[in-house]
Amino acid sequence: SYVLTQPPSVSVAPGKTARITCGGNNIGSKSVHWYQQKPGQAPVLVIYYDSDRPSGIPERFSGSNSGNTATLTISRVEAGDEADYYCQVWDSSSDHKDVVFGGGTKLTVL
Amino acid sequence: EVQLVESGGGLVKPGGSLRLSCAASGFTFSNAWMSWVRQAPGKGLEWVGRIKSKTDGGTTDYAAPVKGRFTISRDDSKNTLYLQMNSLKTEDTAVYYCTTGGGGEVGAIDYWGQGTLVTVSS
Repeated sequence: SYVLTQPPSVSVAPGKTARITCGGNNIGSKSVHWYQQKPGQAPVLVIYYDSDRPSGIPERFSGSNSGNTATLTISRVEAGDEADYYCQVWDSSSDHKDVVFGGGTKLTVL
Repeated sequence: EVQLVESGGGLVKPGGSLRLSCAASGFTFSNAWMSWVRQAPGKGLEWVGRIKSKTDGGTTDYAAPVKGRFTISRDDSKNTLYLQMNSLKTEDTAVYYCTTGGGGEVGAIDYWGQGTLVTVSS
């Protein structure tokens, strides 16, 4: 089955840029989606199809995907961005397509 | 406004069964592909399975850990999604989210319910 690898944690100072990576074999050939989850809440979609932003998501959130790594970039980080972030793809390794999530990255705002 | 409201969670003994429900509103439920995603305490997200719309065949697919034990179904007349869980194991303890999204088998999960907690313990 397809594996997505995320760093367990990323720390960044307020106002700086945070980059959260999601590694997978030839992930650049897949569509990657990103979710933000704050404690006690359901996940929220923040980036879809590699780099598109749903309405209501600040322009500070952006995404890219190439080769074996997809990246979620959060510019001008704010305290309210502190959360867990998950990447997600669809995988067709089995006889059907499965949703695959990365292990998640905890973003800490220093 | 899209709303997904799960119910039916609770405490169940290993080997037992439980049925979760998800009441949907704010979109055309009959056209939607629906999924269940779970999250064990302190852990990451795990896809459970998916049911297509009837117009797309209404078929279901499941993640390996639950295949043969869990069944997803839908009642389009009631705008309700179900998850029947049998032969429950302690490792099935998790918050279960009802979800939906466009884009078929490449798209994102656009909407999530608030989740319902299932605890499997003796």
